[in-house]
Amino acid sequence: AQKVTQAQTEISVVEKEDVTLDCVYETRDTTYYLFWYKQPPSGELVFLIRRNSFDEQNEISGRYSWNFQKSTSSFNFTITASQVVDSAVYFCALSEANYGGSQGNLIFGKGTKLSVKP
Amino acid sequence: DGGITQSPKYLFRKEGQNVTLSCEQNLNHDAMYWYRQDPGQGLRLIYYSQIVNDFQKGDIAEGYSVSREKKESFPLTVTSAQKNPTAFYLCASSLGQGGRTEAFFGQGTRLTVV
Repeated sequence: AQKVTQAQTEISVVEKEDVTLDCVYETRDTTYYLFWYKQPPSGELVFLIRRNSFDEQNEISGRYSWNFQKSTSSFNFTITASQVVDSAVYFCALSEANYGGSQGNLIFGKGTKLSVKP
Repeated sequence: DGGITQSPKYLFRKEGQNVTLSCEQNLNHDAMYWYRQDPGQGLRLIYYSQIVNDFQKGDIAEGYSVSREKKESFPLTVTSAQKNPTAFYLCASSLGQGGRTEAFFGQGTRLTVV
């Protein structure tokens, strides 16, 4: 069965610290896509990144980086030199390409609430 | 600006009442989705539509209904059969394409039963 686990419910750091948000997934599909979204207090989910199952190359975008490892079914997200504006709930999500009836539907983890204190 | 508009932002419902949440997108996306979010929970799929005039139940469809008469619009009705409707509802859309494209979300509607 497909599932996304974000074991860290809440994380609190002080500004400028690095922080890693963990994401572990389970899927029955050979082709799948992984996503990270940010949900600030306003409530809207903001797309951060998409990774497909054939691309294990890590990605860096400014202070954000993502580490995808198929061997451990993990897709972790690191924020370097955190800032107060990074405070939000972060969701990891999975979609399966081939499993009939649910193509494209996102399966979400429960989210990790990140608090960055000044 | 292109995007997804949900209305209203806050909605109060009396016991036994049906209410309809609006979702409109001008991104020309084929696929649209409704998710429910409860405190401390991830998002759970209520209904989705891959194309106009077609929609499918998600994981928690009981007590909800939808329609997709226009590509731009995907309203969600919370019926009196939904026993615990107080939650945050998020609408999303995407190009579909078998899940390889990201979804874009509206700002959500917070529904409270009074």
